[in-house]
Amino acid sequence: KQEVTQIPAALSVPEGENLVLNCSFTDSAIYNLQWFRQDPGKGLTSLLLIQSSQREQTSGRLNASLDKSSGRSTLYIAASQPGDSATYLCAVRNAGNMLTFGGGTRLMVKP
Amino acid sequence: SAVISQKPSRDICQRGTSLTIQCQVDSQVTMMFWYRQQPGQSLTLIATANQGSEATYESGFVIDKFPISRPNLTFSTLTVSNLSPEDSSIYLCSVDQGWINTEAFFGQGTRLTVV
Repeated sequence: KQEVTQIPAALSVPEGENLVLNCSFTDSAIYNLQWFRQDPGKGLTSLLLIQSSQREQTSGRLNASLDKSSGRSTLYIAASQPGDSATYLCAVRNAGNMLTFGGGTRLMVKP
Repeated sequence: SAVISQKPSRDICQRGTSLTIQCQVDSQVTMMFWYRQQPGQSLTLIATANQGSEATYESGFVIDKFPISRPNLTFSTLTVSNLSPEDSSIYLCSVDQGWINTEAFFGQGTRLTVV
């Protein structure tokens, strides 16, 4: 059974810092991995989708990498801003074509 | 991409009543799903909404408690029945096209509080 873990569970940084969020998964036979952002009490916004054949994806200040063989992905946020404060979730798609979610990293960027 | 409208965005309900949540997509999609997110937790899949047939429920979720309809390829409803305080959660609709490399999209969520 696929298990997805996100470290750290919470992170507080001053504005302007570059930061890395980690996601690990136990079964490397994935189809893709997706990073989401969730604001308090709200739905999920898709940030980046990495297919199993890809190594990384970039969107603006966000860069996500994937090392499928080691079961790891990282989300890099450059020059963090207070508006980046949210919970970040990773999810992997594997056998059965279903998503398995990590527990999330709650990020606070202080002005 | 898909734009999903989920209603209501939040509600406060009395114990023993029911709440029906609607999910409308701006284009036809193959797959529609309903998730629950309990306070401080990650997402748990409730069921896959199948067009024109009964939904497929995950372990621990039953049709009597979470009846689901999907009359067409753009619309689905989830009802949470016989509400108790333990049902207080965020309920989320999700869609994708069913391919192995597909991207998932989510609605804005429905924040339910049972009093």
